[in-house]
Order: sequence, then C-alpha cells, then structure tokens
Amino acid sequence: DAGVIQSPRHEVTEMGQEVTLRCKPISGHNSLFWYRQTMMRGLELLIYFNNNVPIDDSGMPEDRFSAKMPNASFSTLKIQPSEPRDSAVYFCASSSIALGQADQPQHFGDGTRLSIL
Amino acid sequence: AQSVTQLDSHVSVSEGTPVLLRCNYSSSYSPSLFWYVQHPNKGLQLLLKYTSAATLVKGINGFEAEFKKSETSFHLTKPSAHMSDAAEYFCVTRSNTGKLIFGQGTTLQVKP
Repeated sequence: DAGVIQSPRHEVTEMGQEVTLRCKPISGHNSLFWYRQTMMRGLELLIYFNNNVPIDDSGMPEDRFSAKMPNASFSTLKIQPSEPRDSAVYFCASSSIALGQADQPQHFGDGTRLSIL
Repeated sequence: AQSVTQLDSHVSVSEGTPVLLRCNYSSSYSPSLFWYVQHPNKGLQLLLKYTSAATLVKGINGFEAEFKKSETSFHLTKPSAHMSDAAEYFCVTRSNTGKLIFGQGTTLQVKP
C-alpha cells in the first residue's frame, strides 16, 4: 500500500519566494495533518483537516502560511513570502478517525526538507 | 492537560543488549499513548499504541511497552538491540481535542 506521499523531498529557495509543499494522504483516510520539525522546537502541529475541512489552524505561525485541501486526496501548504526562519522539515500525516475511534494512529510521510536562504 | 516527558534525550547501548527508553505521562483521564520511531530523513513510524485494552503492549520490531498507572509511566523496551534500531524515538499522547502531543524525543545509539 502506498503511504503518505509528500513532494518535493527537498526545497531550497531564496527568502521572499513562494513555497508550496504538497501531500497525498493514504486513500480512505479522512484526516490530514501538517507538522513542522526543527531542532529547537521539535514537532509542531500546524493545521489539521477532517473531511477536507480545516478544524484547527491555531498552530499556523502567521499569515504567511496557508493550507488547503481541495479534495480528499490532496493538500498543500504554502508559505508566501518565505523567510529563513521557516527552514525546517515539514511533515504531512493522515489518519482515519471515526466516531469512537479517537486512538487511530497517524501515518507520516517522509517530509519535505525546506531551506530558505 | 495531557503531556509526556521523555526522561533521556540520548541513550547509548551495545548491540545485543537490552534497550530501555523512559516516558512519563500526565493525564486527567485514561490516556492514549503511542511510541513512534523516526529514522534519519524519514517520517515517523508507529511502533505501538496503548488504548487501555492491555497494560503490556507489543509492537513491531520486537519492541514492547508497559503501561503503569501507579508510576504514570509508559517505558519502551526491547530485549536485544540491533544496529538498525538506531533512531529517534518519540513518546506521544493525545489531547482531549484529538491533537497528538509529542515528547522531546530520545536518540538511541547502538554501538557494535
């Protein structure tokens, strides 16, 4: 079975440029999560969707970050304009959450390593 | 509020010796607890999960963890370490709103 697929795996760009990260969740999963991982702050939840609807975006650092999920099989995380402090590894995860099954695990992609120069 | 604390940031063992990675939790109700592993340049992979069905949980790759309510602990163990076990390990719980709460991670080094 295909897992969570993220692209690109690596992105290097100059500050001020727009960056778009992409995620394809596991087929049949109805929840999708975007995380950021840095040495200083560890893993941070940025936003999560349930049935394509954003449920909690309180972790999005500022207005430069936006996320969309136009359908059940695709999501994007966009940074515009990008800044050097946005450099991190960004992970997408998906899960199948149904009523009464709150303990379903999340399945992670291999991440996008983003470097903003 | 739910939280987890991983007691060691770095653990070093020799190949073939037991592994113990320690995690304490804080929760106002019966928690959901997980252990995830992250190999270099990879995403997190679920090792095992506790959901109150049994206190001793067996996971993949020979790992297991025991839920001890009296000690508020959920330590991860493996009888014999392999070189391939070298990775970052995360103890994780879930908030009452469904968010995952991650510990700071423990780096496991396995020496030949």
